[in-house]
Amino acid sequence: EAGVVQSPRYKIIEKKQPVAFWCNPISGHNTLYWYRQNLGQGPELLIRYENEEAVDDSQLPKDRFSAERLKGVDSTLKIQPAELGDSAVYLCASSREAGVYNEQFFGPGTRLTVL
Amino acid sequence: QKEVEQNSGPLSVPEGAIASLNCTYSDRGSQSFFWYRQYSGKSPELIMSIYSNGDKEDGRFTAQLNKASQYVSLLIRDSQPSDSATYLCAVYAAGNKLTFGGGTRVLVKP
Repeated sequence: EAGVVQSPRYKIIEKKQPVAFWCNPISGHNTLYWYRQNLGQGPELLIRYENEEAVDDSQLPKDRFSAERLKGVDSTLKIQPAELGDSAVYLCASSREAGVYNEQFFGPGTRLTVL
Repeated sequence: QKEVEQNSGPLSVPEGAIASLNCTYSDRGSQSFFWYRQYSGKSPELIMSIYSNGDKEDGRFTAQLNKASQYVSLLIRDSQPSDSATYLCAVYAAGNKLTFGGGTRVLVKP
């Protein structure tokens, strides 16, 4: 079974530029998560999708961040414009279903550096 | 008070010894608990899940859960240099949200 796929793996941009991250979850996984991980900290949830519906986006900075999950499979996370403080690793994870007993599996992440 | 707390370490362990990692959580209603291993520069990898009080063993790993005391621990037996990593504790809290601790860095010395 293929794992969660993310691209790009690394991205370096100037501040105020836009950037987008792509994620393809494990086949058959209905729930998709975007996390942000700062150095020395655990991942923090940005948004959770159940199929194509965003059911928890309370931690997503909506003034500059947006996300979509078309057709309930692939997802894109966008930042526009990027700020210096957005430098972090952006992780995508998926689980078979939502709910507290569902294990989440992470992709390799995208390391974003904003200069 | 953080929702999920871990000692940041580093926890230095001789090769072949037992590494003991602890995690405490604040939400008494939490129902499921996970341990992830994260190598430097890599993404978190799920190694254990535990839902009921008591011990759960998988190979050299044992997870222990005590809901009354609100802690979950991970034991790594016969520690190997390849076990050197950061171990993240994660707890499902209110609202179906998986909350992570800051991680404990483990160093296994040959």
